[in-house]
Amino acid sequence: GDSVTQMEGPVTLSEEAFLTINCTYTATGYPSLFWYVQYPGEGLQLLLKATKADDKGSNKGFEATYRKETTSFHLEKGSVQVSDSAVYFCALSGVGAQKLVFGQGTRLTINP
Amino acid sequence: DTGVSQNPRHKITKRGQNVTFRCDPISEHNRLYWYRQTLGQGPEFLTYFQNEAQLEKSRLLSDRFSAERPKGSFSTLEIQRTEQGDSAMYLCASSLYKGGLYEQYFGPGTRLTVT
Repeated sequence: GDSVTQMEGPVTLSEEAFLTINCTYTATGYPSLFWYVQYPGEGLQLLLKATKADDKGSNKGFEATYRKETTSFHLEKGSVQVSDSAVYFCALSGVGAQKLVFGQGTRLTINP
Repeated sequence: DTGVSQNPRHKITKRGQNVTFRCDPISEHNRLYWYRQTLGQGPEFLTYFQNEAQLEKSRLLSDRFSAERPKGSFSTLEIQRTEQGDSAMYLCASSLYKGGLYEQYFGPGTRLTVT
């Protein structure tokens, strides 16, 4: 079945550092891909999405590119802030499927 | 847009008791989903509704679990004869078709602790 694998956490960075959180997936066809973020004490929020190969999703300085050849959707940000501290989830929605399949999440901590 | 709401936010119950959670979706959204999230893991799909019809159920949804959406608006998730393994965060999401896909918006969750 469909699955998502994220890089192991936790990840700790200093403010203004470059961020990459790796995400790879297994699915048939061309799924839609998502990054969700969960801030402390809050619900999941959609951060960005991509629906076809080579699409780039972007929001709040975060970017991720749908790479079909490597089945990846890595999350990047050029300069992180303390306020980016949260848990990040990569997810997919398979072709014809209605549910989201999530990775295990990556906890990110940014130190000032 | 008031967002997806869930009640209660926290529930502590004793093993063997029944519990019921409620989810109120965003008003114009016709799809509603339930997920379960255990500590340190990503959410796992349980079931979803389109309007009042329950269209898919995960094998995670044992016979002790039942979900309803009687009028196509709010939904309830009931767990009968709770077990300690049911302790988790129960998440509700709703969606509307937009830009070629159903984009899901999540509520804050109900945290269940079974003692």
